[in-house]
Amino acid sequence: DSGVTQTPKHLITATGQRVTLRCSPRSGDLSVYWYQQSLDQGLQFLIQYYNGEERAKGNILERFSAQQFPDLHSELNLSSLELGDSALYFCASSVELASYNEQFFGPGTRLTVL
Amino acid sequence: AQSVSQHNHHVILSEAASLELGCNYSYGGTVNLFWYVQYPGQHLQLLLKYFSGDPLVKGIKGFEAEFIKSKFSFNLRKPSVQWSDTAEYFCAVNARSSGSARQLTFGSGTQLTVLP
Repeated sequence: DSGVTQTPKHLITATGQRVTLRCSPRSGDLSVYWYQQSLDQGLQFLIQYYNGEERAKGNILERFSAQQFPDLHSELNLSSLELGDSALYFCASSVELASYNEQFFGPGTRLTVL
Repeated sequence: AQSVSQHNHHVILSEAASLELGCNYSYGGTVNLFWYVQYPGQHLQLLLKYFSGDPLVKGIKGFEAEFIKSKFSFNLRKPSVQWSDTAEYFCAVNARSSGSARQLTFGSGTQLTVLP
């Protein structure tokens, strides 16, 4: 157990819908990262938040957005869902911003879009 | 932008065999390098990391990796694998100082199957 929790574990929805994935970082970690793992794209970085502020953006679609709340939990919002959005979405956290800090990963949320 | 290549997609070994998984990265600047492992049904866990100092890094569970700067490589090794090492292994890199620092770029992963 990494100490990072993600809910829900599984999510099945239809095209065009909107979903919210939730992540709670390890106690004391200020930085949260979101990654998408799909068969064709592999593991890709989406976005990073640090202490409530967006700090880095990767290959995140405009239909996706995220935020980090004052209690440091984070939510990833996916809207106008398409079949290709089906993937495993991981959240990770780290203590601070230093690039060599280990990122601790959550168990992931498996999203299936039908 | 950085990229990572893992050339072996699936490796099958017998117990006690030696393991070497290849990882090459592409980036002109200074990097930090990581190997993560994902056991079946579990989350990604850090095996080892390199950011400075001795290029031979020792990690958990008997794994080690060697950073060869001239070859842009960070290969993972284990002298004698066990059935419990069956998992998917990911090499990852982040740039030490850039606009995308701390953003991990992962390789496509290598599925290791160890036969008892």
